[in-house]
Amino acid sequence: SQQGEEDPQALSIQEGENATMNCSYKTSINNLQWYRQNSGRGLVHLILIRSNEREKHSGRLRVTLDTSKKSSSLLITASRAADTASYFCATDARIQGAQKLVFGQGTRLTINP
Amino acid sequence: DAGITQSPRHKVTETGTPVTLRCHQTENHRYMYWYRQDPGHGLRLIHYSYGVKDTDKGEVSDGYSVSRSKTEDFLLTLESATSSQTSVYFCAISVGRSVGDTQYFGPGTRLTVL
Repeated sequence: SQQGEEDPQALSIQEGENATMNCSYKTSINNLQWYRQNSGRGLVHLILIRSNEREKHSGRLRVTLDTSKKSSSLLITASRAADTASYFCATDARIQGAQKLVFGQGTRLTINP
Repeated sequence: DAGITQSPRHKVTETGTPVTLRCHQTENHRYMYWYRQDPGHGLRLIHYSYGVKDTDKGEVSDGYSVSRSKTEDFLLTLESATSSQTSVYFCAISVGRSVGDTQYFGPGTRLTVL
């Protein structure tokens, strides 16, 4: 099973609505990051939240982290067509004795005009 | 984009041929990574480097080798390409002192092995 798993796998909403994506993980982490990937492009870093933080904001993005539940959520408020992309969480965790940044499989977000 | 370029951007090759992908950075960062991205598997780490001539294996390293003779270049080689290595390959760098720090990605190389 995956260290980081996003939910849902796909999400389709109307422009202007809020979009919420979730990420669950299995091991203790130092930080959790969210990335965006537009079709055919590389991943772009959005936000990093450390294990001792519970919430972080960046523009229309709000990230929460619940280490007791080993989960995080990414909220995009007032969505725009340009937010259409895949969103990945990545956890900084110790896997098999080595520090790694492990990516989930992503949530594909579609914003309908 | 942290000054990361990848070459080639697209390549079609035949099974059994060697292939080398190049990642180049302009900002002298210590850590560099190679990932592959496949539907249903997300992004998986192949190899990474923490300095010149210092490399380590990732999650899916079988069939791949890497070299880093200069800080700015990280090469990924498929010694004998197989169809299962058809994928999109991404290079990344991290700007901090740890593998777990924020990573910045190149534009990707789409490799097709026939």
